[in-house]
Amino acid sequence: QVQLVESGGGVVQPQRSLRLSCTASGFAFRNFVMNWVRQAPGKGLEWLAIISSDQSHKYYADSVRGRFTVSRDNSKNTLYLQMNNVRSEDTGVYYCARDFQPNIEVIWGRGTQVIVSS
Amino acid sequence: NFVLTQPHSVSGSLGKAVTITCTRNGGSIAYNHVQWYQLRPGGSPTTLIYQDSLRPLGVPDRFSGSVGRSSNSASLTITGLKAEDEGNYYCQSYDGTNHGWVFGGGTELTVL
Repeated sequence: QVQLVESGGGVVQPQRSLRLSCTASGFAFRNFVMNWVRQAPGKGLEWLAIISSDQSHKYYADSVRGRFTVSRDNSKNTLYLQMNNVRSEDTGVYYCARDFQPNIEVIWGRGTQVIVSS
Repeated sequence: NFVLTQPHSVSGSLGKAVTITCTRNGGSIAYNHVQWYQLRPGGSPTTLIYQDSLRPLGVPDRFSGSVGRSSNSASLTITGLKAEDEGNYYCQSYDGTNHGWVFGGGTELTVL
């Protein structure tokens, strides 16, 4: 079935780096725009980054631009989020989401927890 | 840039109906499609409505979405409320200027 599975979360010290992965199955990953979204403790959903199907276009939220990098490997059906120079406010659950297309809904992963702490 | 505004909380009685609104501040609500997501505590977001009013397979028809140009808002209506409907609901649309998603602040639903 259509599925997204995130991995790579954990505890990381401030100013260090972490790479999240999102593995897709059950659909033609290479044809879809993909997003990263997070939820900080006690907060709402926050969009972080978007990447086009061929990786030619990438856009970021102001809160992560210059520190986070989104990428994908269509041969591996995998989306990535490279998180550099992390801060305490980056703590939260990180979700990948398949963007919608006409008559095709948004699909979400189960999320991976990131805790930034010394 | 625009902002999507939702009520912080709504409540409704078992078996009754509630409507959650999502008002766009800046530009027409009709410029970009609106999606609605449910997020239960400890869970991950699930799509209830996409493209303003379409339901994914498996989402009960108790959930419906609409867009009102006169109010410049989108609405999510839940009928026949069940205890399992408790949780947080988010609207989302696309910002063509920033090329990214915009979320509403979320609405906490309590079923009485």
